[in-house]
Amino acid sequence: DAGITQSPRHKVTETGTPVTLRCHQTENHRYMYWYRQDPGHGLRLIHYSYGVKDTDKGEVSDGYSVSRSKTEDFLLTLESATSSQTSVYFCAISEPDRQGFGYTFGSGTRLTVV
Amino acid sequence: GQQVMQIPQYQHVQEGEDFTTYCNSSTTLSNIQWYKQRPGGHPVFLIQLVKSGEVKKQKRLTFQFGEAKKNSSLHITATQTTDVGTYFCAGPDNYGQNFVFGPGTRLSVLP
Repeated sequence: DAGITQSPRHKVTETGTPVTLRCHQTENHRYMYWYRQDPGHGLRLIHYSYGVKDTDKGEVSDGYSVSRSKTEDFLLTLESATSSQTSVYFCAISEPDRQGFGYTFGSGTRLTVV
Repeated sequence: GQQVMQIPQYQHVQEGEDFTTYCNSSTTLSNIQWYKQRPGGHPVFLIQLVKSGEVKKQKRLTFQFGEAKKNSSLHITATQTTDVGTYFCAGPDNYGQNFVFGPGTRLSVLP
């Protein structure tokens, strides 16, 4: 979908371990986002990026860090995974300055922290 | 901060019946977006509304933006099993930079 891929698709990890999720886009979009989706909460923004090495926190950023060293890649790291971080993580791209251009989401990563 | 609410949380309809989901914001919105997420899938952008009182149609789907730009609705006429999924609305946050998503309305369509 619009050249955005997430990896891995599924991951099970142990509490306390670091985890990195990858988002890759092929269309040179400036803005990239990481959301988490949990039942009853919809989609909540973790971090976003508005350019290479330009990132900012979202609503639920505690326990997460991000990096964007290239336009096409946006990495999300759980520094020390906790059970509360069990969730489905979606990466998205957008062009906020273009009216009618919504978010394009990747297929998601289902993360289970045991 | 910015809050976006949706009702109902769940809706079960018989195939062929109509369906409406409502979105309400705690603040005036410059625009609102709607997304559909099929079970097990990812959210897919449907439409953006910008103007006060705007009404847009996509086949059986009718989207409306309130006059005060604080509410919106999505109406599906004669639902089909392909309409099953969760419908989200999203509005810009207080800084106008990112979008805040509502909790969604999950639609089930019984054949």
